[in-house]
Amino acid sequence: KQEVTQIPAALSVPEGENLVLNCSFTDSAIYNLQWFRQDPGKGLTSLLLIQSSQREQTSGRLNASLDKSSGRSTLYIAASQPGDSATYLCAVRWETSGSRLTFGEGTQLTVNP
Amino acid sequence: NAGVTQTPKFRVLKTGQSMTLLCAQDMNHEYMYWYRQDPGMGLRLIHYSVGEGTTAKGEVPDGYNVSRLKKQNFLLGLESAAPSQTSVYFCASSRISGTENYGYTFGSGTRLTVV
Repeated sequence: KQEVTQIPAALSVPEGENLVLNCSFTDSAIYNLQWFRQDPGKGLTSLLLIQSSQREQTSGRLNASLDKSSGRSTLYIAASQPGDSATYLCAVRWETSGSRLTFGEGTQLTVNP
Repeated sequence: NAGVTQTPKFRVLKTGQSMTLLCAQDMNHEYMYWYRQDPGMGLRLIHYSVGEGTTAKGEVPDGYNVSRLKKQNFLLGLESAAPSQTSVYFCASSRISGTENYGYTFGSGTRLTVV
């Protein structure tokens, strides 16, 4: 079964710390992987999209990596800020699933001032 | 701003009532989706559409119907609401052209409570 797992479910860090969020997937045959941010009571905002041929993508303080062979992706957040507090979800588009995405359950990040 | 708009944002229904959730996008995306989000279960796909006039079942389609009469709109219907359909519903759209893969854009959600 094609599944996406995010560990840990929750993470609390002090402001200024660099941190890594993990995403693992069970099938390496993917088109792309997307990281989203969700604030409480809000919709999902796309952060980074990594195509299957890419190893990483960067946007500001965010860097996402992809290792298809091991079924893993990481989201690195540099110099974390309280405004980074949110739930971060990764989602995979499998080669066999058309345009549909499979989501992980997310990591709830709290950055303490 | 361009994007995905969902209406209504909140709704309380009594068991057995019906309602329609509306999703509209102005990005000329071919693909549209309805997801539900529940604590501990993440986002699950209800139905989706790959173009005007076409719909398909997702992971949890039972109790829902959809229609895509216009490219920009995707409607989600509940014919006879049940408490198990209490959830937050998200609409999303995406554009895929040939071998190019583009990301998803999500609406802000509809919080539905069935009592």
